[in-house]
Amino acid sequence: AQSVTQLGSHVSVSEGALVLLRCNYSSSVPPYLFWYVQYPNQGLQLLLKYTTGATLVKGINGFEAEFKKSETSFHLTKPSAHMSDAAEYFCAVSDQGGYQKVTFGTGTKLQVIP
Amino acid sequence: DAGVIQSPRHEVTEMGQEVTLRCKPISGHDYLFWYRQTMMRGLELLIYFNNNVPIDDSGMPEDRFSAKMPNASFSTLKIQPSEPRDSAVYFCASSLQGAGRDGYTFGSGTRLTVV
Repeated sequence: AQSVTQLGSHVSVSEGALVLLRCNYSSSVPPYLFWYVQYPNQGLQLLLKYTTGATLVKGINGFEAEFKKSETSFHLTKPSAHMSDAAEYFCAVSDQGGYQKVTFGTGTKLQVIP
Repeated sequence: DAGVIQSPRHEVTEMGQEVTLRCKPISGHDYLFWYRQTMMRGLELLIYFNNNVPIDDSGMPEDRFSAKMPNASFSTLKIQPSEPRDSAVYFCASSLQGAGRDGYTFGSGTRLTVV
């Protein structure tokens, strides 16, 4: 069984400040990990993914995430927030054996304050 | 590629009416998924297809829901009869080989309101 916990349903940052969105997962087998972003009235868009290899993964729009097996975490970061980053962010996990078994977190809404 | 295309973007219907949602996946993607998103339940996988064949429909809430994929470029999700609790945003997504490995490409969704 696998699960995802996103800490904080709402996060506010000032424009230009560090963005840190937290995600912890539970999986009985090596996971594949994803971050998706959802802008208002739009579908989810894949930001980045970890499958195997390098644990620091870079995505679109300047975001990156680091897979830390010892901490079962996959936190999303961006050095400097931009107003356009305001959206909802979803962490997701699948196990490497079940390609279609994806579990989403409950989402974190990011507010960027000018 | 234009991405995953869903229609209509918005649908308002009266309780008891039939509703049909449509989806055109990305060409060449072997997998198609239907999701439902609500505030209360978040994202729920309803059904997915592989090469036009339904593989797992365990997420379909009731017999009132049905989905078809007559060919590789078209799928429908039908609700008959519709109820107010079906109000939600319905997303179609496609994936090249496996959503759990490659990730999804989502459409923009259909916002369904049943009054």
